[in-house]
Amino acid sequence: GQQVMQIPQYQHVQEGEDFTTYCNSSTTLSNIQWYKQRPGGHPVFLIQLVKSGEVKKQKRLTFQFGEAKKNSSLHITATQTTDVGTYFCAGEGFGNEKLTFGTGTRLTIIP
Amino acid sequence: EPEVTQTPSHQVTQMGQEVILRCVPISNHLYFYWYRQILGQKVEFLVSFYNNEISEKSEIFDDQFSVERPDGSNFTLKIRSTKLEDSAMYFCASGRGGYTFGSGTRLTVV
Repeated sequence: GQQVMQIPQYQHVQEGEDFTTYCNSSTTLSNIQWYKQRPGGHPVFLIQLVKSGEVKKQKRLTFQFGEAKKNSSLHITATQTTDVGTYFCAGEGFGNEKLTFGTGTRLTIIP
Repeated sequence: EPEVTQTPSHQVTQMGQEVILRCVPISNHLYFYWYRQILGQKVEFLVSFYNNEISEKSEIFDDQFSVERPDGSNFTLKIRSTKLEDSAMYFCASGRGGYTFGSGTRLTVV
């Protein structure tokens, strides 16, 4: 079945440094979504990417979807303590209605 | 902002007992889902529900599990004869093209 992997599993950064997490799917995706989960919380939807090569920005967050629609990345510029949490990518295949979540990257910030 | 509501927030049950987890999805959403997350692990798909029937289910969603939409607002997940390995956080979600997740029910099977 479809598998979605993320690297790194953990990332510790100094406040103000940049952060990137990478997501790879074993199959071509219809779309990819990104979610943030704070410690003890639930996944919160950040963005959906649909088109090959798409790039979207939300303030300090930049999301990319690969040309082959099998990989994606999330880049955060100048991290802040509020960015702490686990970032999950989640891919949707064609003709189905389920998201396959990635393994997640847990971001911690050193003040 | 519309929310997905889940009850209870925490449920402790004896192994072998049945549990029902409840969800109230966002009212104008048509697609509903159950996911689970074992502590510290990734979020796993269980089942999707559309037009009053299951549209897709995972290998995890075996005969032990069932879902219902008993009225116009509630969406329930029933787990019959719970096992220790069913202990997890269960999330309900609704929507399409970006899901809204509820705050979850932590199920502990003892």
